[in-house]
Amino acid sequence: IAGITQAPTSQILAAGRRMTLRCTQDMRHNAMYWYRQDLGLGLRLIHYSNTAGTTGKGEVPDGYSVSRANTDDFPLTLASAVPSQTSVYFCARRPGQTHRLDGYTFGSGTRLTVV
Amino acid sequence: QQQVKQSPQSLIVQKGGIPIINCAYENTAFDYFPWYQQFPGKGPALLIAIRPDVSEKKEGRFTISFNKSAKQFSLHIMDSQPGDSATYFCAAGIAGNMLTFGGGTRLMVKP
Repeated sequence: IAGITQAPTSQILAAGRRMTLRCTQDMRHNAMYWYRQDLGLGLRLIHYSNTAGTTGKGEVPDGYSVSRANTDDFPLTLASAVPSQTSVYFCARRPGQTHRLDGYTFGSGTRLTVV
Repeated sequence: QQQVKQSPQSLIVQKGGIPIINCAYENTAFDYFPWYQQFPGKGPALLIAIRPDVSEKKEGRFTISFNKSAKQFSLHIMDSQPGDSATYFCAAGIAGNMLTFGGGTRLMVKP
């Protein structure tokens, strides 16, 4: 079954440590996204990539970086974690045909706790 | 600045009831309005979506109503079931890209 895989599933991280959240897709879709989910705030866009080699900033990019070396992988890095980055992180991909109503496909998420 | 406002935050209905979740948006350039359903421990999954050239779309027990002049859209769940208990998110985007999500509604359907 085509999908999007995130790792790890959950992580407890000491403040100040570096962490990379992994995201891999198997459909070779161009557009990929990272969102964080916090209670009452819905999902907020951190970074996005419309195609391999390009990335852009979303609504809440501070403290995060991304790379898109190839079509399938889109890792999210926290250079120096802070407690406010405690959240559930979701990676998503979108089919390339924007006229269709297919929407995003989300991974199962990474629950990150920064202590 | 919240571009998509969703209400209510939580909702409890009896089985068979018709929960209604409302969203309002600000950006008139939005042309794609999906609803996502999320179960605990899972990622959101696309439920139904609409473009602003229609006022209503129905898929099974789920209906989106869209009011372009009021910049509002809503989700109705007909004959709700306990299995519909989940968190629902509305969203808005341009050409299906860069979705902005509402804050979510936690729905509980009591047996």
